[in-house]
Amino acid sequence: EIVLTQSPTTMAASPGEKVTLTCRASSSVSYMHWYQQRSGTSPKLWIYETSKLASGVPNRFSGSGSGTSYSLTINSMETEDAATYYCQQGSSYPPTFGSGTKLEIK
Amino acid sequence: EVKLVESGGGLVLPGASLKLSCIVSGFTFSDYWMRWVRQAPGKGLEFIGEIKPDGSKTNYAPSMKGRFTISRDNAKNTLYLQMSSVRSEDTATYYCARRHGGYPRYYFDYWGQGVMVTVSS
Repeated sequence: EIVLTQSPTTMAASPGEKVTLTCRASSSVSYMHWYQQRSGTSPKLWIYETSKLASGVPNRFSGSGSGTSYSLTINSMETEDAATYYCQQGSSYPPTFGSGTKLEIK
Repeated sequence: EVKLVESGGGLVLPGASLKLSCIVSGFTFSDYWMRWVRQAPGKGLEFIGEIKPDGSKTNYAPSMKGRFTISRDNAKNTLYLQMSSVRSEDTATYYCARRHGGYPRYYFDYWGQGVMVTVSS
């Protein structure tokens, strides 16, 4: 099974700061998907097929990457972006998730 | 509006069985593969398995094979997860989710609110 390693595990960013979260796969995958999970709620699809924003996701978010290295970037951090973000691959069975990056507001 | 609503969780004794349900609305249930994912307290997301639209095929994560059974009733727009011989490690929030995309793009586009299962004596 493909192991996804997310970094950092936890980070804090100030409002307006640029943030980059990374996800590395143990083998090459075709696409990466990202989910946002706020405390006490279920995960929400956030970015799919590496770079496409899910419905309602602000355009300060973007996704990129290929092969074994992917990233989620927030152009300008806002308070509402504080959450845990998980990456997920669906190219190889079983689908697997990264362990998450907890993003906090400074 | 797409909705997935899980139920059936609670406190269960080690070794017991439990059946979770997920009632969906807002889309044609019988058109989609459906999945179960769990999340232990304070931990990450773990894929359990999935079921084909007509219910004729199921796939499970290797670590989940044997004690979990996924089924569905398309007439009732309901997905099920049968858990048997539960252990303390099965304590988690269980989510149903809809599979979207074709290979190799599979992802989870809609999730339920989750149902908590606590295994304890």
